[in-house]
Amino acid sequence: DIVMTQSPDSLAVSLGERATINCKSSQSVLYSTNNKNYLGWYQQKPGQPPKLLIYWASSRESGVPDRFSGSGSGTDFTLTISSLQAEDVAVYYCQQYYSTPLTFGGGTRVEIK
Amino acid sequence: EVQLLESGGGLVEPGGSLRLSCAASGFTFSSYDMSWVRQAPGKGLEWVSTFSASGGSTYYADSVKGRFTISRDNSKNTLFLQMNSLRAEDTAVYYCAKDFSSGYYCFDFWGQGTLVTVSS
Repeated sequence: DIVMTQSPDSLAVSLGERATINCKSSQSVLYSTNNKNYLGWYQQKPGQPPKLLIYWASSRESGVPDRFSGSGSGTDFTLTISSLQAEDVAVYYCQQYYSTPLTFGGGTRVEIK
Repeated sequence: EVQLLESGGGLVEPGGSLRLSCAASGFTFSSYDMSWVRQAPGKGLEWVSTFSASGGSTYYADSVKGRFTISRDNSKNTLFLQMNSLRAEDTAVYYCAKDFSSGYYCFDFWGQGTLVTVSS
């Protein structure tokens, strides 16, 4: 099984500042045939289902603000919120879809400082 | 507009059974792989099972293999999860989710979830 490890568990960032969340997989999720990283990022607000933000590690889902960006390859990935807004308070999860069992990171809680 | 509506959750005793349903609309249901993902109270996300659109392949987490069965009725645009031999650790909100591109299990739409509580 591919283990997904997120860091930090939580972070507090001032409004308008940058938030950075890391995700590390226990083995590469880069598929050599198509050169794509099978890594997604989700945002979950209290009482709501997760919302897809990023797929293929760096492709932004339709309608997601461009302050959200994903980067990385192989085993190390980052979700960046370039200028934190109040509505970005949530828990963020990474997920690998390279192989089953599909696995999620433990989540990172983002709060306002 | 894509909609996924789960139902069937509730309180059940350990060892009991429940059948969850997920009614889908707003997309060509038969063309997409569909999955169940659960979230225990205050915990993270855990993938449970996937039913592929093509070929009818099914996949399960080890934690539910042999106890849960995923199925789908494409004529009714509905996904199911039959849960048997339920345990306290199965207590969670169960979400159904649609993959963003057939065959790639990253989920672009989720239902609101249905709560399953296993307790005596």
